[in-house]
Amino acid sequence: DAGVTQSPTHLIKTRGQQVTLRCSPKSGHDTVSWYQQALGQGPQFIFQYYEEEERQRGNFPDRFSGHQFPNYSSELNVNALLLGDSALYLCASSLGGWDIQYFGAGTRLSVL
Amino acid sequence: AQKVTQAQTEISVVEKEDVTLDCVYETRDTTYYLFWYKQPPSGELVFLIRRNSFDEQNEISGRYSWNFQKSTSSFNFTITASQVVDSAVYFCALSEASSGYALNFGKGTSLLVTP
Repeated sequence: DAGVTQSPTHLIKTRGQQVTLRCSPKSGHDTVSWYQQALGQGPQFIFQYYEEEERQRGNFPDRFSGHQFPNYSSELNVNALLLGDSALYLCASSLGGWDIQYFGAGTRLSVL
Repeated sequence: AQKVTQAQTEISVVEKEDVTLDCVYETRDTTYYLFWYKQPPSGELVFLIRRNSFDEQNEISGRYSWNFQKSTSSFNFTITASQVVDSAVYFCALSEASSGYALNFGKGTSLLVTP
């Protein structure tokens, strides 16, 4: 039984570029949440998707957007990258928003 | 305002010592969940435990135990007879009904267990 998988593992971009990160949830899960973890900090909630709709959103600008597909996989898009967007981006899946969230290994994004 | 406080930034112990990681939370919800996750150097957050706000029973799982006290808004985590493999960053997190159960993490405690 595959857990949560994220791609790519690492990514290097330059300021102003756009990036797309991908996540496949654990089998049987229908809800995907995204978190940003800066170096030395705890993860910060970006948003959560359920039934292809954004259900909850944290305190992140509109440059951060997402999508959930009918197979429950999800994408995180970040436009107009800033140096401060450099972080580990973690995807978590659950069965419903209230259930235990299981995390993938993350995508490490470096913005130069 | 920080809803989850992990006052210990770094802890270093020698193998076989017991260690307690502190977590204090703040919420106005009556329905909420508390979590502990472990993050080894590989980066993946590993789920350890979830407790709901209506269940204050302490829990033991092998060398791990958790003490939930609503009176002091604390959810502390104890590792008995620590091992080198326990070295990781440990995060306490809160999810509240009022925020759609999004996880609100503390800043983490880095635990180093040396032989």
